[in-house]
Amino acid sequence: AQSVAQPEDQVNVAEGNPLTVKCTYSVSGNPYLFWYVQYPNRGLQFLLKYITGDNLVKGSYGFEAEFNKSQTSFHLKKPSALVSDSALYFCAVAQYSSASKIIFGSGTRLSIRP
Amino acid sequence: GAVVSQHPSRVICKSGTSVKIECRSLDFQATTMFWYRQFPKKSLMLMATSNEGSKATYEQGVEKDKFLINHASLTLSTLTVTSAHPEDSSFYICSAPLMERGGVSDTQYFGPGTRLTVL
Repeated sequence: AQSVAQPEDQVNVAEGNPLTVKCTYSVSGNPYLFWYVQYPNRGLQFLLKYITGDNLVKGSYGFEAEFNKSQTSFHLKKPSALVSDSALYFCAVAQYSSASKIIFGSGTRLSIRP
Repeated sequence: GAVVSQHPSRVICKSGTSVKIECRSLDFQATTMFWYRQFPKKSLMLMATSNEGSKATYEQGVEKDKFLINHASLTLSTLTVTSAHPEDSSFYICSAPLMERGGVSDTQYFGPGTRLTVL
């Protein structure tokens, strides 16, 4: 069975500073990894995914994530945070393909202060 | 890009009634759809996998008789919460994978969610 851990309930960053949201995963075989963002009272928006290839994945809104197989991590990063980045972020993993069922982490609330 | 819709977006019902939530893939076909439940300020919990033309596959701990799933066509899956009670109040979200050529770059698209409040 696959699982995802997001160790931080909340991350606070000043606008303009770099941000990192942590994620570690557990899955048998090759992982299919995702990051989604959720704004208040809205559905999930896809940010990026890792299937294969380069360990550094670039996604929407300037976000990127680095796949680290030895550490089983997939941390989300952005070089310069914006206030509008404040939202709830979910890391997720699928086991067999990117079209199979996705298991979500507990979520990390990102708060960017002006 | 691909769009998944849900209807209704918000529903309030009395305890003991049944509520049906629709999930549609608007511009692509989906033989499989997924239903999730999200409690306030919590993560999404996978409830079941909806399979077109066959029975849904439920996750452990999810009551299949309570949450009826029907995948009637390649663009529609429905979730019916039967005999709803206040503890069923939640945000229900569906997703559908868009199968692209080769399958490597498949992406799941999520509906906007349905907020169910049971009084």
